[in-house]
Amino acid sequence: GNSVTQMEGPVTLSEEAFLTINCTYTATGYPSLFWYVQYPGEGLQLLLKATKADDKGSNKGFEATYRKETTSFHLEKGSVQVSDSAVYFCAFLNSGGSNYKLTFGKGTLLTVNP
Amino acid sequence: EPEVTQTPSHQVTQMGQEVILRCVPISNHLYFYWYRQILGQKVEFLVSFYNNEISEKSEIFDDQFSVERPDGSNFTLKIRSTKLEDSAMYFCASSGSFGTGSNEQFFGPGTRLTVL
Repeated sequence: GNSVTQMEGPVTLSEEAFLTINCTYTATGYPSLFWYVQYPGEGLQLLLKATKADDKGSNKGFEATYRKETTSFHLEKGSVQVSDSAVYFCAFLNSGGSNYKLTFGKGTLLTVNP
Repeated sequence: EPEVTQTPSHQVTQMGQEVILRCVPISNHLYFYWYRQILGQKVEFLVSFYNNEISEKSEIFDDQFSVERPDGSNFTLKIRSTKLEDSAMYFCASSGSFGTGSNEQFFGPGTRLTVL
């Protein structure tokens, strides 16, 4: 069935370190892919998205590329900041048909230390 | 900037009691959703709602759950007889249009439900 597998956390980095959070998906058709972020005490916010193969989503220094051949959408940031500490969720949305729900991964807790 | 709001932020109830979680979606959106997140687990889809009826529901959304849009602005989730395992964070979301993969679902801050 449809699912998202993302890197288990927690991930702890020092400020300015390079970040990668792996995400792979199993879905029918051609889903759109998303990264959501949940800051402490807040709801889910869309961080970035990609709607077709080879698209790169980017926002706030974060990037992820839609890789259809490897069914992956890994999140990267070249230099993390303390303010990036949050839980990051990979998700997909199937396009077309009757399946309009977002399917989420388990989330990865990122802690960035000064 | 328009946002989805939810009330209350935290609800504590006794097992077997009814609870109603309230959401005000973004005003020009047409599609509404409820998700839940049990502590430490993934965010799970519960139900989607469009044109005053349920479009899709998950296996979690059994007869104890119901949704309603009682007026032009609110969207509610009712749990008729709460169980301990209903304790979770419940997120409401809304989006402008259905069917295209590029639509963004905007999430509210969540209601933490604790069933004792």
